[in-house]
Amino acid sequence: NAGVTQTPKFQVLKTGQSMTLQCAQDMNHEYMSWYRQDPGMGLRLIHYSVGAGITDQGEVPNGYNVSRSTTEDFPLRLLSAAPSQTSVYFCASSSPSRGESYNEQFFGPGTRLTVL
Amino acid sequence: QQQVKQSPQSLIVQKGGISIINCAYENTAFDYFPWYQQFPGKGPALLIAIRPDVSEKKEGRFTISFNKSAKQFSLHIMDSQPGDSATYFCAASMAAHEIIWGAGTKLIIKP
Repeated sequence: NAGVTQTPKFQVLKTGQSMTLQCAQDMNHEYMSWYRQDPGMGLRLIHYSVGAGITDQGEVPNGYNVSRSTTEDFPLRLLSAAPSQTSVYFCASSSPSRGESYNEQFFGPGTRLTVL
Repeated sequence: QQQVKQSPQSLIVQKGGISIINCAYENTAFDYFPWYQQFPGKGPALLIAIRPDVSEKKEGRFTISFNKSAKQFSLHIMDSQPGDSATYFCAASMAAHEIIWGAGTKLIIKP
């Protein structure tokens, strides 16, 4: 069980370039999310999905696109990279449960992105 | 209404001491309050969580204290160890896919 995997681990882009951050989970979780983490600002939600074919915007969606064609994969696309998008990006998955670990988020290892 | 305020932003504690991190929320609809632990270069991972119908939950050296009337909850780490050095996030949730995060506390335990 690999859990949540993310690729690449590190990436450097030039302003204006586009790229896709990959995220996959093998736990059959319905919910998947993308966060960015910046110093002193905690985790900010970019986009999320409650199931295949269903996505919605989070707190900071501008400049990012997502799609969810399968339960396992949830890629994040940067359309035209800007220096303000320099951050660490985390993908997370979860499954609805009323049990002890209600809504436990399982995070990937992160992608550190630098935009020059 | 949707914010979770976490303090302090950073904390230095001597080995063996008690680390205390505080969080406050406003929306009484929240029904699940987890704490996540994040080591450098890793993603956050669930440490301990509590529901508002109990005032305290303890797992080993980690305890959540919950004050429903004050809308506050805190994480206590007893006998703090250098291996506890990490960033800690509190959070609040009211639906399976909706979770509001605190800003995080960087904890350093000095040997």
